[in-house]
Amino acid sequence: GAVVSQHPSRVICKSGTSVKIECRSLDFQATTMFWYRQFPKQSLMLMATSNEGSKATYEQGVEKDKFLINHASLTLSTLTVTSAHPEDSSFYICSAMDRLADQPQHFGDGTRLSIL
Amino acid sequence: DQQVKQNSPSLSVQEGRISILNCDYTNSMFDYFLWYKKYPAEGPTFLISISSIKDKNEDGRFTVFLNKSAKHLSLHIVPSQPGDSAVYFCAARQTGANSKLTFGKGITLSVRP
Repeated sequence: GAVVSQHPSRVICKSGTSVKIECRSLDFQATTMFWYRQFPKQSLMLMATSNEGSKATYEQGVEKDKFLINHASLTLSTLTVTSAHPEDSSFYICSAMDRLADQPQHFGDGTRLSIL
Repeated sequence: DQQVKQNSPSLSVQEGRISILNCDYTNSMFDYFLWYKKYPAEGPTFLISISSIKDKNEDGRFTVFLNKSAKHLSLHIVPSQPGDSAVYFCAARQTGANSKLTFGKGITLSVRP
């Protein structure tokens, strides 16, 4: 089945550091990728929709200057958390959708980000 | 306003029995529904989906039922196995809305050996 690879799986870093998370679709082309954030015992909250070759669409309340998204190719999207602070600590998950219609989103394994 | 609701936070069933996980939605524009399974510290894994033009979709031990008039769907797992123990998320999307998924809060299923 479709595989989405997310890297790194875990990051621990100091406050003020910028952190880049990669999301790759390994066996299909993804014109659209999504970035989610999950708080403990909560649902997945969509942060932004990333379209290949264009600017990302951010959900209300998500700071686009804080969470930079780049979708430079049909198989790679990156999320950069800039100048991370402890409140940015969370579980970040990406998903990708095959460019074919009516296909489900496939998710990466997530990145646990801990800001000290 | 939560558009996809999974009102029961947890469910415990005996191995071999049927597990029924429920999901309700409020947005009548949703036309495609999905169930995902998630283990701790992993991303969700797609299980099964159903289009609004159908009322049932079956894949092995998993069956999803859709009742559009009631805006309700359910996932049936039979027979339940200990390996099915996980968090199950119901999700919905609207065609044309950039394929964004709206997720419920999830339900934790525990299958007792």
